[in-house]
Amino acid sequence: AQSVTQLDSHVSVSEGTPVLLRCNYSSSYSPSLFWYVQHPNKGLQLLLKYTSAATLVKGINGFEAEFKKSETSFHLTKPSAHMSDAAEYFCVVSDRSGNTPLVFGKGTRLSVIA
Amino acid sequence: KAGVTQTPRYLIKTRGQQVTLSCSPISGHRSVSWYQQTPGQGLQFLFEYFSETQRNKGNFPGRFSGRQFSNSRSEMNVSTLELGDSALYLCASSGPGQGVGEQFFGPGTRLTVL
Repeated sequence: AQSVTQLDSHVSVSEGTPVLLRCNYSSSYSPSLFWYVQHPNKGLQLLLKYTSAATLVKGINGFEAEFKKSETSFHLTKPSAHMSDAAEYFCVVSDRSGNTPLVFGKGTRLSVIA
Repeated sequence: KAGVTQTPRYLIKTRGQQVTLSCSPISGHRSVSWYQQTPGQGLQFLFEYFSETQRNKGNFPGRFSGRQFSNSRSEMNVSTLELGDSALYLCASSGPGQGVGEQFFGPGTRLTVL
């Protein structure tokens, strides 16, 4: 069985400061991990993904995440927040076969203060 | 390429009625997944269709059903609506060229049950 825990339901940062959204996962086997973003009234968009290659993954809009097996974590970071980053972020786990559904975390709402 | 489209975008129904939601995937995509998003439960997987066959099913009652047509368009139906069915219903598609877990989401159908 797989599960994802997003440790913060809401994170608030000032524009220009770093962003850290935390995610821990549980999986019976080597997982694939993803971060999706949902802007208001829009569908989810894939930010980045980890499958089995480099543990530091770079995504769109300056986001990156590091897979740490020893800590079962996949935290999302960005050096400098922009107002347009305000959205809901979802950490997602899947097995590598693609035969099982994606499992979503509860989401973290990111607010960016001017 | 046009994105995933969902119709209608908003829907208001009363308890006991039934509803049908439609999803048109990205051209060439044969896999369509449906999710229910609520503030309390987050994003929950409903079912996935691939080439007109249901490939996976989430833990929802039998009132929730779906189907996929030969052109990959998909519909989901909810019968005997309950207040708790009020949610944003998201459809996502994937196809050749996408890695495991990479899905393209539509904007969703907002269903309100009164």
